[in-house]
Amino acid sequence: GAGVSQSPSNKVTEKGKDVELRCDPISGHTALYWYRQRLGQGLEFLIYFQGNSAPDKSGLPSDRFSAERTGESVSTLTIQRTQQEDSAVYLCASSFNRDTGELFFGEGSRLTVL
Amino acid sequence: DQQVKQNSPSLSVQEGRISILNCDYTNSMFDYFLWYKKYPAEGPTFLISISSIKDKNEDGRFTVFLNKSAKHLSLHIVPSQPGDSAVYFCAAILGGANNLFFGTGTRLTVIP
Repeated sequence: GAGVSQSPSNKVTEKGKDVELRCDPISGHTALYWYRQRLGQGLEFLIYFQGNSAPDKSGLPSDRFSAERTGESVSTLTIQRTQQEDSAVYLCASSFNRDTGELFFGEGSRLTVL
Repeated sequence: DQQVKQNSPSLSVQEGRISILNCDYTNSMFDYFLWYKKYPAEGPTFLISISSIKDKNEDGRFTVFLNKSAKHLSLHIVPSQPGDSAVYFCAAILGGANNLFFGTGTRLTVIP
């Protein structure tokens, strides 16, 4: 497809379970970002991948969160031992130019932890 | 610590009138400022940006103004249309898009 694709669009899980969220960026975009938006809050940066460079993990809130990206393609965000405070919309974005901030976002994965 | 602030959570405007969305920031080193628009159940979409060396950028009905001395950014939409009803996020970059700071958003409702 032409846009950023995320799956699943909705995920309901029980506290303590692991979840995996997937992002398929726009072809040719070297930069990939993960954000989350909790209810009533702004977008919170989680992690950034740029080509083959080491990712910027400075936004990950705890060691239960990890992400991988294979080359310049698909990325997976994994949350282990989910907690209720992890409930949020997880947004993936990609860009061609990291300098200008023009990111192309997917529709997000809404995670609900019961 | 919120470096980009949108103090108005909502705004209602009559169709055809001007919508003015405001944003304040704290870091004078930001390189670029951007506005994103978000419809329900969709990801944010880029709307317009401005470099820190400029004070105005215009694109059709959308104009962004930057007042560096006041550390203030605003988005003007004129004339406002019902399809503009969405949540608008202000954002600022420091050195690269991995340092992209978003405000909490302002929900604009344009009344037909």
